[in-house]
Amino acid sequence: DAKTTQPTSMDCAEGRAANLPCNHSTISGNEYVYWYRQIHSQGPQYIIHGLKNNETNEMASLIITEDRKSSTLILPHATLRDTAVYYCIVSPMGYNFNKFYFGSGTKLNVKP
Amino acid sequence: EAEVAQSPRYKITEKSQAVAFWCDPISGHATLYWYRQILGQGPELLVQFQDESVVDDSQLPKDRFSAERLKGVDSTLKIQPAELGDSAMYLCASSRAENTEAFFGQGTRLTVV
Repeated sequence: DAKTTQPTSMDCAEGRAANLPCNHSTISGNEYVYWYRQIHSQGPQYIIHGLKNNETNEMASLIITEDRKSSTLILPHATLRDTAVYYCIVSPMGYNFNKFYFGSGTKLNVKP
Repeated sequence: EAEVAQSPRYKITEKSQAVAFWCDPISGHATLYWYRQILGQGPELLVQFQDESVVDDSQLPKDRFSAERLKGVDSTLKIQPAELGDSAMYLCASSRAENTEAFFGQGTRLTVV
């Protein structure tokens, strides 16, 4: 069940910020926004999650709009190793992996 | 750093044959998941274990797929007989408990010919 909409692919120059958008217009009040990424031939890797406040960790920043209908994942200084598929997922509090719907994600191509 | 181990990394099998995948979760992780990922799509949950018990296998095609985690540690996913449409990446993930962060293994790439 698709709860998020993401662009199929994006390009970003190495060293520049990568801004990956996600639309989740039907998000419920108790649903968090999670971001995972999957580098080629590896399993998905957790990046960040948030409810309504902006969040930042060592990997990325997550900006959630005030109405919570969309969010943006920001990789401040993209490197070639950030080339991956990025998944935006909405899910109730807690990881609830048996309810995660990964969708097709956004393929980010970081170019030299 | 502890990792989820899966084997084999790659498997080629003929249709109608049996095939099995093995997963060793991170030590102490009670919850284990098996996912299937078709090329170009995101992972889809097949089965979830809590210790040795199946919590959710609603998406597991039970006519040909089976999964077990007999001692609540490592797990095996079996397909018998394999069909061409089963060609995919099979991912295992584990978490300390349900509703906590899960960590994924590198997966087994299955090709059915």
